[in-house]
Amino acid sequence: GAGVSQTPSNKVTEKGKYVELRCDPISGHTALYWYRQSLGQGPEFLIYFQGTGAADDSGLPNDRFFAVRPEGSVSTLKIQRTERGDSAVYLCASSPKGGQGGTEAFFGQGTRLTVV
Amino acid sequence: SQQGEEDPQALSIQEGENATMNCSYKTSINNLQWYRQNSGRGLVHLILIRSNEREKHSGRLRVTLDTSKKSSSLLITASRAADTASYFCATDHGGTSYGKLTFGQGTILTVHP
Repeated sequence: GAGVSQTPSNKVTEKGKYVELRCDPISGHTALYWYRQSLGQGPEFLIYFQGTGAADDSGLPNDRFFAVRPEGSVSTLKIQRTERGDSAVYLCASSPKGGQGGTEAFFGQGTRLTVV
Repeated sequence: SQQGEEDPQALSIQEGENATMNCSYKTSINNLQWYRQNSGRGLVHLILIRSNEREKHSGRLRVTLDTSKKSSSLLITASRAADTASYFCATDHGGTSYGKLTFGQGTILTVHP
């Protein structure tokens, strides 16, 4: 596609439920990032994929959070036993490579998750 | 944890005026980037400045970087109402997680027509 696509754009779920958030990066981008943004704050890093592997998952807050990218393209962020504190906008970004010197990241429009 | 700190937290100006936002960080960087966000959703990349650069321009945007002071500034000249948005600086500290960004809390810019 032309840009990073995230689905759904909004998700309301009950406390304790399981949710999956999907990210479809720009074709050919090998690096994929997940961030979480709470109201009034800047995005916070969750996890970074280079190809199929999670190169850095140091930002995942606890073991209820997990992400996969099985074929090196689409990624799914999975949250188990959701809590009200998980409510936030989840942003996905991709870049051509997570290479030396750095490149800009292309962000999707995010998924607004609300846990009630 | 957030490394970037931005000031001011909010800035309100009239169309045609210049807007300056500042960003500070704590540890050495590979590069620093500025992003814009409308309505709390997707971020749009504005400009990237590498650690060995001191100043960069893009249209009405001017970014400076002072690595000795660990600070950067974003100047928007001749502002327009359409520039109203939140602006974030983000630092790339290199290492094994290339491209991983640490964001500041942002500056909310309001440009009045």
